[in-house]
Amino acid sequence: GAVVSQHPSWVICKSGTSVKIECRSLDFQATTMFWYRQFPKQSLMLMATSNEGSKATYEQGVEKDKFLINHASLTLSTLTVTSAHPEDSSFYICSASSWGFGTQYFGPGTRLTVL
Amino acid sequence: DAKTTQPNSMESNEEEPVHLPCNHSTISGTDYIHWYRQLPSQGPEYVIHGLTSNVNNRMASLAIAEDRKSSTLILHRATLRDAAVYYCILIQGAQKLVFGQGTRLTINP
Repeated sequence: GAVVSQHPSWVICKSGTSVKIECRSLDFQATTMFWYRQFPKQSLMLMATSNEGSKATYEQGVEKDKFLINHASLTLSTLTVTSAHPEDSSFYICSASSWGFGTQYFGPGTRLTVL
Repeated sequence: DAKTTQPNSMESNEEEPVHLPCNHSTISGTDYIHWYRQLPSQGPEYVIHGLTSNVNNRMASLAIAEDRKSSTLILHRATLRDAAVYYCILIQGAQKLVFGQGTRLTINP
Protein backbone atom coordinates (compact mmCIF):
# COMPACT_ATOMS: atom_id res chain seq x y z
CA GLY A 1 0.00 0.00 0.00
CA ALA A 2 0.92 3.66 -0.29
CA VAL A 3 3.27 4.84 2.44
CA VAL A 4 3.69 8.38 3.68
CA SER A 5 6.36 9.32 6.18
CA GLN A 6 6.82 12.38 8.35
CA HIS A 7 9.89 13.75 10.03
CA PRO A 8 10.35 14.46 12.82
CA SER A 9 7.80 12.40 14.74
CA TRP A 10 7.99 14.84 17.61
CA VAL A 11 9.72 18.14 18.29
CA ILE A 12 10.03 20.49 21.24
CA CYS A 13 11.08 24.05 20.58
CA LYS A 14 11.30 27.40 22.30
CA SER A 15 8.77 30.12 21.65
CA GLY A 16 9.81 32.34 18.74
CA THR A 17 11.75 29.71 16.83
CA SER A 18 10.77 28.10 13.54
CA VAL A 19 10.18 24.41 12.99
CA LYS A 20 10.17 22.51 9.70
CA ILE A 21 8.20 19.30 9.24
CA GLU A 22 8.78 17.06 6.23
CA CYS A 23 6.22 14.85 4.55
CA ARG A 24 7.30 12.25 2.00
CA SER A 25 5.42 9.81 -0.19
CA LEU A 26 7.71 6.81 -0.28
CA ASP A 27 6.30 4.59 -3.02
CA PHE A 28 4.13 6.80 -5.18
CA GLN A 29 4.13 10.23 -6.72
CA ALA A 30 1.86 12.62 -4.88
CA THR A 31 0.40 15.31 -7.06
CA THR A 32 -1.41 16.75 -4.08
CA MET A 33 -0.43 16.88 -0.42
CA PHE A 34 -2.49 18.10 2.50
CA TRP A 35 -1.62 19.41 5.93
CA TYR A 36 -3.90 18.94 8.93
CA ARG A 37 -3.76 20.00 12.54
CA GLN A 38 -5.35 18.11 15.40
CA PHE A 39 -5.76 19.32 18.96
CA PRO A 40 -6.27 16.83 21.80
CA LYS A 41 -9.61 15.00 21.69
CA GLN A 42 -10.63 16.89 18.56
CA SER A 43 -10.98 15.92 14.93
CA LEU A 44 -8.57 16.77 12.15
CA MET A 45 -8.74 20.24 10.65
CA LEU A 46 -7.42 20.84 7.16
CA MET A 47 -4.89 23.67 7.09
CA ALA A 48 -3.85 23.76 3.46
CA THR A 49 -3.65 21.90 0.18
CA SER A 50 -0.58 21.94 -2.00
CA ASN A 51 0.01 20.80 -5.54
CA GLU A 52 3.51 20.09 -6.76
CA GLY A 53 5.13 23.17 -8.23
CA SER A 54 2.40 25.63 -7.27
CA LYS A 55 1.45 27.72 -4.28
CA ALA A 56 -0.52 26.14 -1.47
CA THR A 57 -4.19 26.90 -0.94
CA TYR A 58 -4.88 27.75 2.68
CA GLU A 59 -8.13 27.19 4.53
CA GLN A 60 -9.94 30.14 6.00
CA GLY A 61 -8.35 31.33 9.21
CA VAL A 62 -4.95 29.74 8.58
CA GLU A 63 -2.15 32.30 8.35
CA LYS A 64 -0.09 31.57 5.25
CA ASP A 65 2.84 33.67 6.48
CA LYS A 66 2.99 31.68 9.69
CA PHE A 67 2.56 28.21 8.19
CA LEU A 68 4.81 28.08 5.13
CA ILE A 69 4.21 25.18 2.81
CA ASN A 70 6.52 24.06 0.04
CA HIS A 71 5.77 21.19 -2.35
CA ALA A 72 8.92 21.18 -4.43
CA SER A 73 8.70 17.64 -5.78
CA LEU A 74 6.18 14.88 -6.32
CA THR A 75 7.41 13.10 -3.19
CA LEU A 76 8.14 15.88 -0.71
CA SER A 77 6.19 18.64 0.98
CA THR A 78 7.35 20.69 3.93
CA LEU A 79 5.46 22.71 6.53
CA THR A 80 7.39 25.38 8.40
CA VAL A 81 5.83 26.85 11.51
CA THR A 82 7.45 30.26 11.81
CA SER A 83 7.87 32.10 15.10
CA ALA A 84 6.13 29.31 16.95
CA HIS A 85 4.15 30.06 20.10
CA PRO A 86 2.67 27.73 22.73
CA GLU A 87 -0.75 27.93 21.07
CA ASP A 88 0.82 26.31 17.97
CA SER A 89 1.46 23.16 19.98
CA SER A 90 -0.51 20.46 18.24
CA PHE A 91 -0.39 17.22 16.27
CA TYR A 92 0.41 18.00 12.63
CA ILE A 93 -0.49 15.38 10.06
CA CYS A 94 0.16 15.32 6.34
CA SER A 95 -1.50 13.24 3.68
CA ALA A 96 -0.86 12.61 0.02
CA SER A 97 -2.94 11.69 -2.96
CA SER A 98 -1.79 10.53 -6.33
CA TRP A 99 -4.69 12.04 -8.22
CA GLY A 100 -5.83 15.19 -6.54
CA PHE A 101 -8.66 14.74 -4.07
CA GLY A 102 -9.04 10.97 -4.26
CA THR A 103 -8.12 8.50 -1.56
CA GLN A 104 -5.61 10.08 0.78
CA TYR A 105 -2.76 8.31 2.53
CA PHE A 106 -1.71 9.80 5.82
CA GLY A 107 1.62 10.19 7.52
CA PRO A 108 2.10 9.15 11.15
CA GLY A 109 1.96 12.73 12.40
CA THR A 110 4.35 15.12 14.13
CA ARG A 111 3.72 16.25 17.66
CA LEU A 112 4.92 19.83 18.15
CA THR A 113 5.36 21.25 21.62
CA VAL A 114 6.29 24.90 21.93
CA LEU A 115 7.60 25.96 25.33
CA ASP B 1 -20.53 19.82 1.91
CA ALA B 2 -22.79 16.80 2.39
CA LYS B 3 -22.73 15.88 6.07
CA THR B 4 -22.54 12.55 7.83
CA THR B 5 -23.87 11.55 11.23
CA GLN B 6 -22.20 8.90 13.35
CA PRO B 7 -22.64 7.78 16.96
CA ASN B 8 -20.05 9.32 19.25
CA SER B 9 -18.95 5.98 20.63
CA MET B 10 -19.51 2.25 20.40
CA GLU B 11 -18.27 -0.71 22.32
CA SER B 12 -17.83 -4.32 21.31
CA ASN B 13 -16.07 -7.46 22.39
CA GLU B 14 -13.00 -9.03 20.92
CA GLU B 15 -13.59 -11.56 18.13
CA GLU B 16 -17.17 -10.39 17.61
CA PRO B 17 -18.43 -8.53 14.52
CA VAL B 18 -18.84 -4.77 14.74
CA HIS B 19 -21.28 -2.72 12.70
CA LEU B 20 -20.49 0.99 12.58
CA PRO B 21 -23.38 3.05 11.16
CA CYS B 22 -23.24 6.28 9.22
CA ASN B 23 -26.17 8.40 8.07
CA HIS B 24 -25.79 10.65 5.05
CA SER B 25 -29.31 11.60 4.06
CA THR B 26 -28.16 14.56 1.90
CA ILE B 27 -25.79 12.49 -0.20
CA SER B 28 -25.69 13.38 -3.88
CA GLY B 29 -25.43 10.97 -6.77
CA THR B 30 -21.71 11.49 -7.30
CA ASP B 31 -20.61 11.37 -3.65
CA TYR B 32 -18.31 8.53 -2.74
CA ILE B 33 -18.52 7.13 0.79
CA HIS B 34 -15.09 6.83 2.39
CA TRP B 35 -14.12 5.39 5.75
CA TYR B 36 -10.92 6.19 7.57
CA ARG B 37 -9.83 5.25 11.06
CA GLN B 38 -7.36 6.81 13.44
CA LEU B 39 -5.56 4.81 16.07
CA PRO B 40 -4.32 6.69 19.15
CA SER B 41 -1.44 9.07 18.41
CA GLN B 42 -1.30 8.10 14.74
CA GLY B 43 -2.39 9.56 11.45
CA PRO B 44 -5.65 8.34 9.93
CA GLU B 45 -5.65 5.16 7.90
CA TYR B 46 -7.77 4.51 4.81
CA VAL B 47 -10.19 1.65 5.39
CA ILE B 48 -12.57 1.36 2.46
CA HIS B 49 -14.75 3.32 0.08
CA GLY B 50 -17.71 2.75 -2.20
CA LEU B 51 -20.28 4.42 -4.39
CA THR B 52 -23.37 2.21 -4.71
CA SER B 53 -22.46 -1.44 -4.36
CA ASN B 54 -21.27 -3.19 -1.23
CA VAL B 55 -17.50 -3.47 -1.05
CA ASN B 56 -15.14 -5.88 0.66
CA ASN B 57 -11.43 -5.70 1.32
CA ARG B 58 -8.99 -7.32 3.71
CA MET B 59 -9.78 -4.83 6.45
CA ALA B 60 -13.57 -4.52 6.36
CA SER B 61 -16.79 -4.57 4.41
CA LEU B 62 -18.92 -1.62 3.46
CA ALA B 63 -22.66 -2.09 3.17
CA ILE B 64 -24.45 0.74 1.38
CA ALA B 65 -28.21 1.15 1.64
CA GLU B 66 -30.16 0.97 -1.58
CA ASP B 67 -31.15 4.66 -1.32
CA ARG B 68 -27.54 5.53 -0.33
CA LYS B 69 -28.75 7.57 2.62
CA SER B 70 -26.84 5.39 5.05
CA SER B 71 -23.98 2.94 5.14
CA THR B 72 -22.42 0.52 7.59
CA LEU B 73 -18.79 -0.37 8.07
CA ILE B 74 -18.46 -3.98 9.14
CA LEU B 75 -15.48 -5.37 10.98
CA HIS B 76 -16.08 -9.09 10.78
CA ARG B 77 -14.05 -10.12 13.78
CA ALA B 78 -12.83 -7.28 15.96
CA THR B 79 -9.44 -7.36 17.61
CA LEU B 80 -7.98 -5.07 20.24
CA ARG B 81 -6.03 -3.38 17.44
CA ASP B 82 -9.28 -2.21 15.89
CA ALA B 83 -9.88 0.20 18.76
CA ALA B 84 -9.83 3.58 17.04
CA VAL B 85 -11.90 6.54 15.94
CA TYR B 86 -13.73 5.70 12.72
CA TYR B 87 -14.64 8.49 10.31
CA CYS B 88 -17.29 8.27 7.60
CA ILE B 89 -16.69 10.94 4.95
CA LEU B 90 -18.43 11.84 1.70
CA ILE B 91 -16.22 12.94 -1.16
CA GLN B 92 -17.38 14.33 -4.46
CA GLY B 93 -14.90 14.71 -7.24
CA ALA B 94 -12.31 17.31 -6.35
CA GLN B 95 -13.59 18.06 -2.88
CA LYS B 96 -11.40 17.92 0.17
CA LEU B 97 -11.82 15.53 3.07
CA VAL B 98 -13.86 17.05 5.89
CA PHE B 99 -13.50 15.09 9.10
CA GLY B 100 -16.40 15.03 11.56
CA GLN B 101 -16.10 13.77 15.11
CA GLY B 102 -16.30 10.12 14.10
CA THR B 103 -17.16 7.11 16.25
CA ARG B 104 -14.79 6.07 19.01
CA LEU B 105 -14.77 2.28 19.01
CA THR B 106 -13.75 0.46 22.17
CA ILE B 107 -12.99 -3.26 22.04
CA ASN B 108 -13.26 -5.23 25.24
CA PRO B 109 -10.97 -8.25 25.70
